[in-house]
Amino acid sequence: KQEVTQIPAALSVPEGENLVLNCSFTDSAIYNLQWFRQDPGKGLTSLLLIQSSQREQTSGRLNASLDKSSGRSTLYIAASQPGDSATYLCAASFSGGYNKLIFGAGTRLAVHP
Amino acid sequence: SAVISQKPSRDICQRGTSLTIQCQVDSQVTMMFWYRQQPGQSLTLIATANQGSEATYESGFVIDKFPISRPNLTFSTLTVSNLSPEDSSIYLCSVVTTGNSNQPQHFGDGTRLSIL
Repeated sequence: KQEVTQIPAALSVPEGENLVLNCSFTDSAIYNLQWFRQDPGKGLTSLLLIQSSQREQTSGRLNASLDKSSGRSTLYIAASQPGDSATYLCAASFSGGYNKLIFGAGTRLAVHP
Repeated sequence: SAVISQKPSRDICQRGTSLTIQCQVDSQVTMMFWYRQQPGQSLTLIATANQGSEATYESGFVIDKFPISRPNLTFSTLTVSNLSPEDSSIYLCSVVTTGNSNQPQHFGDGTRLSIL
Protein backbone atom coordinates (compact mmCIF):
# COMPACT_ATOMS: atom_id res chain seq x y z
CA LYS A 1 0.00 0.00 0.00
CA GLN A 2 1.33 3.41 -0.94
CA GLU A 3 1.55 5.67 2.07
CA VAL A 4 3.02 9.05 2.92
CA THR A 5 4.03 9.91 6.47
CA GLN A 6 5.06 13.25 7.94
CA ILE A 7 6.90 13.91 11.15
CA PRO A 8 6.69 15.78 13.38
CA ALA A 9 2.94 16.38 13.51
CA ALA A 10 3.52 19.77 15.10
CA LEU A 11 6.47 22.07 15.57
CA SER A 12 6.93 25.34 17.43
CA VAL A 13 10.07 27.39 16.87
CA PRO A 14 11.31 30.91 17.59
CA GLU A 15 11.58 33.35 14.73
CA GLY A 16 14.84 33.17 12.80
CA GLU A 17 15.45 29.47 13.31
CA ASN A 18 16.25 27.16 10.40
CA LEU A 19 14.04 24.09 10.39
CA VAL A 20 13.47 20.81 8.59
CA LEU A 21 10.17 19.08 7.95
CA ASN A 22 10.25 15.39 7.09
CA CYS A 23 8.21 13.30 4.71
CA SER A 24 8.59 9.58 4.01
CA PHE A 25 6.91 7.35 1.44
CA THR A 26 6.62 3.60 1.13
CA ASP A 27 6.95 3.07 -2.62
CA SER A 28 10.28 3.78 -4.35
CA ALA A 29 8.48 3.99 -7.71
CA ILE A 30 7.71 7.61 -7.00
CA TYR A 31 6.83 9.83 -9.95
CA ASN A 32 7.01 13.20 -8.24
CA LEU A 33 6.59 14.79 -4.83
CA GLN A 34 4.93 18.08 -4.06
CA TRP A 35 5.05 20.26 -0.97
CA PHE A 36 2.06 22.44 -0.08
CA ARG A 37 1.20 25.01 2.52
CA GLN A 38 -2.30 25.23 4.02
CA ASP A 39 -3.34 28.24 6.05
CA PRO A 40 -6.30 27.94 8.44
CA GLY A 41 -9.59 28.09 6.56
CA LYS A 42 -7.83 28.17 3.21
CA GLY A 43 -7.00 25.83 0.36
CA LEU A 44 -3.54 24.56 -0.54
CA THR A 45 -0.72 26.64 -1.96
CA SER A 46 1.82 24.74 -4.02
CA LEU A 47 5.37 25.41 -2.80
CA LEU A 48 7.67 23.06 -4.65
CA LEU A 49 7.47 20.05 -6.93
CA ILE A 50 10.36 17.60 -7.25
CA GLN A 51 10.38 15.17 -10.13
CA SER A 52 11.71 11.67 -9.52
CA SER A 53 14.79 12.47 -11.61
CA GLN A 54 15.68 15.46 -9.43
CA ARG A 55 17.43 15.62 -6.08
CA GLU A 56 16.22 19.01 -4.90
CA GLN A 57 14.32 22.17 -5.71
CA THR A 58 14.70 25.65 -4.28
CA SER A 59 12.38 28.62 -4.04
CA GLY A 60 13.48 31.58 -1.96
CA ARG A 61 13.98 30.43 1.63
CA LEU A 62 12.60 26.98 0.86
CA ASN A 63 14.60 23.96 -0.26
CA ALA A 64 13.10 20.54 -0.83
CA SER A 65 15.10 17.38 -1.34
CA LEU A 66 14.17 13.92 -2.55
CA ASP A 67 15.95 10.63 -1.83
CA LYS A 68 14.13 7.81 -3.59
CA SER A 69 16.38 5.07 -2.23
CA SER A 70 15.57 5.89 1.38
CA GLY A 71 11.98 6.94 0.64
CA ARG A 72 12.40 10.41 2.13
CA SER A 73 11.88 14.04 1.32
CA THR A 74 12.72 17.05 3.46
CA LEU A 75 11.54 20.64 3.33
CA TYR A 76 14.12 23.05 4.69
CA ILE A 77 12.93 26.51 5.72
CA ALA A 78 15.67 29.04 6.33
CA ALA A 79 15.37 31.96 8.73
CA SER A 80 11.79 31.21 9.70
CA GLN A 81 9.29 34.04 10.12
CA PRO A 82 5.90 34.27 11.88
CA GLY A 83 4.30 34.41 8.43
CA ASP A 84 5.57 30.87 7.81
CA SER A 85 3.12 29.57 10.41
CA ALA A 86 0.82 27.11 8.62
CA THR A 87 0.32 23.40 8.02
CA TYR A 88 2.79 21.93 5.54
CA LEU A 89 1.69 18.93 3.51
CA CYS A 90 3.71 16.66 1.30
CA ALA A 91 2.04 14.61 -1.40
CA ALA A 92 3.48 11.98 -3.70
CA SER A 93 2.37 10.48 -6.96
CA PHE A 94 3.58 7.09 -8.03
CA SER A 95 4.09 5.27 -11.31
CA GLY A 96 0.76 3.96 -12.55
CA GLY A 97 -1.13 6.85 -10.97
CA TYR A 98 0.74 9.88 -12.19
CA ASN A 99 -1.81 12.47 -11.19
CA LYS A 100 -3.14 10.78 -8.07
CA LEU A 101 -1.62 12.58 -5.13
CA ILE A 102 -1.31 10.67 -1.87
CA PHE A 103 -1.04 13.09 1.02
CA GLY A 104 0.70 12.94 4.34
CA ALA A 105 -1.14 14.12 7.45
CA GLY A 106 0.86 17.36 7.56
CA THR A 107 3.14 19.20 9.98
CA ARG A 108 1.57 22.12 11.82
CA LEU A 109 4.23 24.81 12.17
CA ALA A 110 4.10 27.75 14.57
CA VAL A 111 6.82 30.39 14.39
CA HIS A 112 6.66 32.75 17.35
CA PRO A 113 8.26 36.20 17.52
CA SER B 1 -0.73 29.66 -12.40
CA ALA B 2 -4.47 29.25 -13.00
CA VAL B 3 -6.97 31.03 -10.76
CA ILE B 4 -9.41 28.50 -9.31
CA SER B 5 -12.72 29.62 -7.86
CA GLN B 6 -14.95 27.38 -5.80
CA LYS B 7 -18.54 28.08 -4.85
CA PRO B 8 -19.93 28.05 -2.27
CA SER B 9 -17.04 28.69 0.10
CA ARG B 10 -19.06 27.18 2.95
CA ASP B 11 -22.51 25.81 3.59
CA ILE B 12 -24.61 24.25 6.31
CA CYS B 13 -27.05 21.65 5.05
CA GLN B 14 -29.77 19.42 6.42
CA ARG B 15 -29.48 15.65 6.51
CA GLY B 16 -30.81 13.93 3.43
CA THR B 17 -30.35 16.91 1.13
CA SER B 18 -27.69 17.38 -1.54
CA LEU B 19 -25.14 20.10 -2.21
CA THR B 20 -23.52 20.92 -5.54
CA ILE B 21 -20.09 22.54 -5.49
CA GLN B 22 -18.75 24.42 -8.49
CA CYS B 23 -15.15 24.76 -9.59
CA GLN B 24 -14.34 27.38 -12.21
CA VAL B 25 -10.87 27.94 -13.68
CA ASP B 26 -9.83 31.08 -15.53
CA SER B 27 -8.07 29.12 -18.29
CA GLN B 28 -8.39 25.76 -19.97
CA VAL B 29 -6.80 22.94 -18.00
CA THR B 30 -6.05 19.37 -18.91
CA MET B 31 -7.08 17.67 -15.70
CA MET B 32 -9.43 18.43 -12.80
CA PHE B 33 -9.74 16.53 -9.54
CA TRP B 34 -11.93 16.51 -6.46
CA TYR B 35 -10.55 15.86 -2.97
CA ARG B 36 -12.07 15.53 0.48
CA GLN B 37 -10.46 16.66 3.72
CA GLN B 38 -12.27 15.30 6.75
CA PRO B 39 -11.88 17.14 10.08
CA GLY B 40 -8.34 16.87 11.40
CA GLN B 41 -7.25 14.68 8.52
CA SER B 42 -5.35 15.04 5.29
CA LEU B 43 -6.69 15.06 1.77
CA THR B 44 -8.11 12.03 -0.04
CA LEU B 45 -8.76 11.92 -3.77
CA ILE B 46 -12.43 11.34 -4.59
CA ALA B 47 -12.27 11.26 -8.37
CA THR B 48 -10.78 12.60 -11.57
CA ALA B 49 -13.27 14.72 -13.51
CA ASN B 50 -13.09 13.79 -17.20
CA GLN B 51 -14.23 16.28 -19.79
CA GLY B 52 -17.25 15.01 -21.66
CA SER B 53 -17.33 11.58 -20.01
CA GLU B 54 -17.91 9.88 -16.67
CA ALA B 55 -15.54 10.66 -13.83
CA THR B 56 -12.99 8.11 -12.62
CA TYR B 57 -13.64 7.30 -8.96
CA GLU B 58 -11.18 6.12 -6.36
CA SER B 59 -11.81 3.12 -4.17
CA GLY B 60 -14.46 3.88 -1.58
CA PHE B 61 -16.20 6.59 -3.60
CA VAL B 62 -19.19 5.94 -5.87
CA ILE B 63 -21.00 7.93 -8.50
CA ASP B 64 -24.38 7.72 -6.77
CA LYS B 65 -23.01 9.50 -3.72
CA PHE B 66 -20.61 11.89 -5.51
CA PRO B 67 -21.86 12.63 -9.03
CA ILE B 68 -19.40 14.78 -10.97
CA SER B 69 -19.78 16.73 -14.17
CA ARG B 70 -17.17 18.37 -16.37
CA PRO B 71 -18.83 19.88 -19.43
CA ASN B 72 -15.75 21.75 -20.67
CA LEU B 73 -12.08 22.43 -19.96
CA THR B 74 -12.68 25.16 -17.38
CA PHE B 75 -15.59 23.98 -15.22
CA SER B 76 -16.60 21.05 -13.03
CA THR B 77 -19.19 20.32 -10.37
CA LEU B 78 -19.23 17.86 -7.49
CA THR B 79 -22.52 16.94 -5.87
CA VAL B 80 -22.58 15.34 -2.44
CA SER B 81 -25.88 13.46 -2.23
CA ASN B 82 -28.06 12.27 0.63
CA LEU B 83 -26.02 14.20 3.17
CA SER B 84 -25.19 12.73 6.56
CA PRO B 85 -23.00 14.09 9.40
CA GLU B 86 -20.11 11.97 8.12
CA ASP B 87 -20.04 14.16 5.01
CA SER B 88 -18.96 17.18 7.02
CA SER B 89 -15.63 17.97 5.40
CA ILE B 90 -13.76 20.39 3.23
CA TYR B 91 -14.11 19.60 -0.47
CA LEU B 92 -11.39 20.90 -2.79
CA CYS B 93 -10.91 20.90 -6.50
CA SER B 94 -7.48 20.87 -8.08
CA VAL B 95 -6.18 21.24 -11.60
CA VAL B 96 -3.20 20.41 -13.75
CA THR B 97 -2.78 23.08 -16.35
CA THR B 98 -0.82 21.30 -19.09
CA GLY B 99 -0.57 17.87 -20.63
CA ASN B 100 2.82 17.31 -19.04
CA SER B 101 2.07 15.05 -16.09
CA ASN B 102 5.09 16.39 -14.19
CA GLN B 103 3.33 19.64 -13.48
CA PRO B 104 2.17 20.70 -10.01
CA GLN B 105 -1.44 20.46 -8.99
CA HIS B 106 -3.06 23.73 -7.97
CA PHE B 107 -5.96 23.88 -5.54
CA GLY B 108 -8.97 26.06 -4.97
CA ASP B 109 -9.79 27.44 -1.52
CA GLY B 110 -12.23 24.64 -0.81
CA THR B 111 -15.85 24.35 0.27
CA ARG B 112 -16.50 23.86 3.96
CA LEU B 113 -19.58 21.70 4.43
CA SER B 114 -21.35 21.11 7.73
CA ILE B 115 -24.34 18.85 8.16
CA LEU B 116 -26.97 19.48 10.83
